[in-house]
Amino acid sequence: GAVVSQHPSWVICKSGTSVKIECRSLDFQATTMFWYRQFPKQSLMLMATSNEGSKATYEQGVEKDKFLINHASLTLSTLTVTSAHPEDSSFYICSAPLSGTYTDTQYFGPGTRLTVL
Amino acid sequence: SQKIEQNSEALNIQEGKTATLTCNYTNYSPAYLQWYRQDPGRGPVFLLLIRENEKEKRKERLKVTFDTTLKQSLFHITASQPADSATYLCALAPGANNLFFGTGTRLTVIP
Repeated sequence: GAVVSQHPSWVICKSGTSVKIECRSLDFQATTMFWYRQFPKQSLMLMATSNEGSKATYEQGVEKDKFLINHASLTLSTLTVTSAHPEDSSFYICSAPLSGTYTDTQYFGPGTRLTVL
Repeated sequence: SQKIEQNSEALNIQEGKTATLTCNYTNYSPAYLQWYRQDPGRGPVFLLLIRENEKEKRKERLKVTFDTTLKQSLFHITASQPADSATYLCALAPGANNLFFGTGTRLTVIP
């Protein structure tokens, strides 16, 4: 099956620093990728849709200047958490569908655990 | 407001029994409904997708039903095994461009 990787798998940073998380589709091209955030014992919340070659689409309440998304190629999307604060500590997960839409199977990355001190 | 509820936060069953998980939704008209498995500290893994015009779908020991009148999906694992212990998430796709997840049910299969 299709594989999606994320790097790093965990990161600890100081408050005020920026952190970049990479999401790669390893064996297929992903014109669309999705970024989620998951707090402990809560479900996945969609943050934004990353589109190759165009700007990302952010969900209501997600600050686009704080969570910068760049879909650099058909296999790579990055999420940069700028000026991170402790409340940004969470589990960040990306996904990519084979067909580019939610009507298709979503392949999820293993997630990145961000801890901001 | 739109809501997706999974019947219970946690479910414990004996090995060999059938586990039944429930997903109820309000104020959605999903074209698709999906079930995922999530292990601690990992991303979700796709299990099954069922369309609004399908009543039931099966895959090995898994069975999913979708009742658009009741606004409910049931997820069954037959002959459950300790390895089936995980959190199971339902997700609705009202259209092609969005997917909404329930809060999940943590299943524990007791040997």
